[in-house]
Amino acid sequence: SQQGEEDPQALSIQEGENATMNCSYKTSINNLQWYRQNSGRGLVHLILIRSNEREKHSGRLRVTLDTSKKSSSLLITASRAADTASYFCATAPSGNTPLVFGKGTRLSVIA
Amino acid sequence: EAGVAQSPRYKIIEKRQSVAFWCNPISGHATLYWYQQILGQGPKLLIQFQNNGVVDDSQLPKDRFSAERLKGVDSTLKIQPAKLEDSAVYLCASSPGPEGQPQHFGDGTRLSIL
Repeated sequence: SQQGEEDPQALSIQEGENATMNCSYKTSINNLQWYRQNSGRGLVHLILIRSNEREKHSGRLRVTLDTSKKSSSLLITASRAADTASYFCATAPSGNTPLVFGKGTRLSVIA
Repeated sequence: EAGVAQSPRYKIIEKRQSVAFWCNPISGHATLYWYQQILGQGPKLLIQFQNNGVVDDSQLPKDRFSAERLKGVDSTLKIQPAKLEDSAVYLCASSPGPEGQPQHFGDGTRLSIL
C-alpha cells in the first residue's frame, strides 16, 4: 500500500520560480524522505527529516514536517531546467517496517 | 563509490515466458530491496533482504515471482510465467543497514510483456 500521497500530481513552472510539493501520510513515522527520479533513471535520495524535526535545508531544498497534520512539504527555490523530474516522498513507519513511497509529483521547469 | 548495478536495462518477452533480473548492490550494504514501479506510480516493495535472509516479502506474488540473494551480495529476481500486468520497471536498491535509512537505487530494468 502507498501511504504517502503527493500533491499536486503535476506542476509546471518557469525557470527561477520556486516549486512546492506536498506529501500527506496516514500513520506514525520515524522519518520521512524525499527522492528525485529523472526519466528512465533510478531514484536519488534528496533529504531525510526525522519525526522530531520540523524543518531541514539542503542547498536549494527546504523540507518541513508537521507530524500533527501528518504532512510534509518540499520547496525547491530558484528552480532550474535540470530540476525537471518526478519527486517522491517516502515514509519510514514506526516499528521495523520498510519505506512506503507515494505516487509522486511530476515537476516540469521551463527554460 | 560504485553505484547499484542492474542488468539488463530493457527486456521484452511474451506472456507466459520467464525472465530474470540481476542486481549488484553497493559494496558493504547489508540490505537489498527489489521494487516494482508501474508507469505513473511510485515504487512498490516486492522483497527486502538483510544479508542473505528475507526480511519482508509480503507483497511478492509468490506463485510467479522468486528472488534470492546468495552469499549476501548479488541478487536475482525471477518471474515465471510472466503476465501482461507485470510490465513495469524493476528497481533494485540497497542501504547500509536497517529500515529507515536512505536507499541507493539502480537505474532499473524496463520489462515489456507482449
